[in-house]
Amino acid sequence: DTAVSQTPKYLVTQMGNDKSIKCEQNLGHDTMYWYKQDSKKFLKIMFSYNNKELIINETVPNRFSPKSPDKAHLNLHINSLELGDSAVYFCASSPGGGFPLHFGNGTRLTVT
Amino acid sequence: QQQVKQSPQSLIVQKGGISIINCAYENTAFDYFPWYQQFPGKGPALLIAIRPDVSEKKEGRFTISFNKSAKQFSLHIMDSQPGDSATYFCAASIRGNDMRFGAGTRLTVKP
Repeated sequence: DTAVSQTPKYLVTQMGNDKSIKCEQNLGHDTMYWYKQDSKKFLKIMFSYNNKELIINETVPNRFSPKSPDKAHLNLHINSLELGDSAVYFCASSPGGGFPLHFGNGTRLTVT
Repeated sequence: QQQVKQSPQSLIVQKGGISIINCAYENTAFDYFPWYQQFPGKGPALLIAIRPDVSEKKEGRFTISFNKSAKQFSLHIMDSQPGDSATYFCAASIRGNDMRFGAGTRLTVKP
């Protein structure tokens, strides 16, 4: 069973569209995250949720909106997609205390 | 501003050799220093981690060396194998929250 699963694995869309990425974890963890990995492999935290409450919100355009319907799910909605949004987006989770991080296998977003 | 600086960007090692990746941090409040391994098409996975109250931690062929006064830590991979070829990330966090990653090192182990 996959511990942290993301869908879709690949997402190709045009500029200006709105898209969502879904994430689910079956580890019983309290905290979930979204990370962005750019073309140079740099991993940058975007958001962190603890028990459905937003606790980290890095300087991310407000076109990105996370939503956590429950402790096991954290979705990422992106409005008005831009070319620069092309990247791999990773969902992760961690138990109370924050470590270790368990990552999903990523969603490769390509904006054309 | 990158809080964790990692070098080298890429590394090529012969099979059986030692791979060494270095990281330096700025925030003295960091108290947890993990290393993650990422294979193509996969998410990063925890390899080994250390806290600043110890200077070294070893798990199999992987060792973290930690120098608190210099604010540096490094990953040593002994007897490197082609299967170790991956991208390695150092990271640092405060009580496990808000994990900050280094820029990554692409390791290639040649047979």
